[in-house]
Amino acid sequence: AQSVAQPEDQVNVAEGNPLTVKCTYSVSGNPYLFWYVQYPNRGLQFLLKYITGDNLVKGSYGFEAEFNKSQTSFHLKKPSALVSDSALYFCAVRERGDYKLSFGAGTTVTVRA
Amino acid sequence: NAGVTQTPKFRILKIGQSMTLQCAQDMNHNYMYWYRQDPGMGLKLIYYSVGAGITDKGEVPNGYNVSRSTTEDFPLRLELAAPSQTSVYFCASSYGRYDTDTQYFGPGTRLTVL
Repeated sequence: AQSVAQPEDQVNVAEGNPLTVKCTYSVSGNPYLFWYVQYPNRGLQFLLKYITGDNLVKGSYGFEAEFNKSQTSFHLKKPSALVSDSALYFCAVRERGDYKLSFGAGTTVTVRA
Repeated sequence: NAGVTQTPKFRILKIGQSMTLQCAQDMNHNYMYWYRQDPGMGLKLIYYSVGAGITDKGEVPNGYNVSRSTTEDFPLRLELAAPSQTSVYFCASSYGRYDTDTQYFGPGTRLTVL
C-alpha cells in the first residue's frame, strides 16, 4: 500500500526567506511523486511531479522539489518565498502501474510580509 | 478550454435528502475521479472511472454512487445524506494512457448536511 506523510501541519516564513515543505512517502516499488497547491476556496493546482531522471524537479511559480530515494522524501522548496505563496500544499504519491493517487494531509504555508 | 467544472459550488442538505454533484471535463480525458477533502485528512478517493461505462470504488465509497455514461461527465450521487458526508468534494480527470499522467482538479463543491 502506498502512503504519504507531511510531518508539518503549518510552516511560517518571512517573505524573501527560503521555503521548504516536507514530504515522505511509502510505496512497494518505484514512486511517482506530485505536489499540488490549493489556494483558499479553490481547487488543487498541479505544481510539479517526479517521474524519473534528475532528482531535482522544477515546477510552476519558482517551486522545485528534490527526490531522495534513500530517505524516501520529496521536499518542496522555493528559494525566496512570496506572500502570495500562502496556501495549502499537498504531496501525493502513485505507485508505478497504478492510476490512483494517495495524498498527504496537507501543510498550510503562511508567508508574512 | 474550461478544464474540469463542478456544480454546484455550495449546497446545504438536510439529513436523508439526496442530491447529485455534477462534474464535467472538456479535455477528452479517459480517467475521472471523485475525492472528498476533510480538514487535516488530505483527499480521500471515493470512486473513479477509467472510461465511459466503467467505474470502480475507491477508499471511501459508502453512501455514494456514480455513473459514467459519457467521456465528459462523471456525476456523484448521494442517496441518503448524513452529517458524516459534510465535506468538500473534488472531481479530477487525467488522460489515463500512462501512469505518469497528471490529475487535474475542478474547483470543488462544499456540501453541508444538517
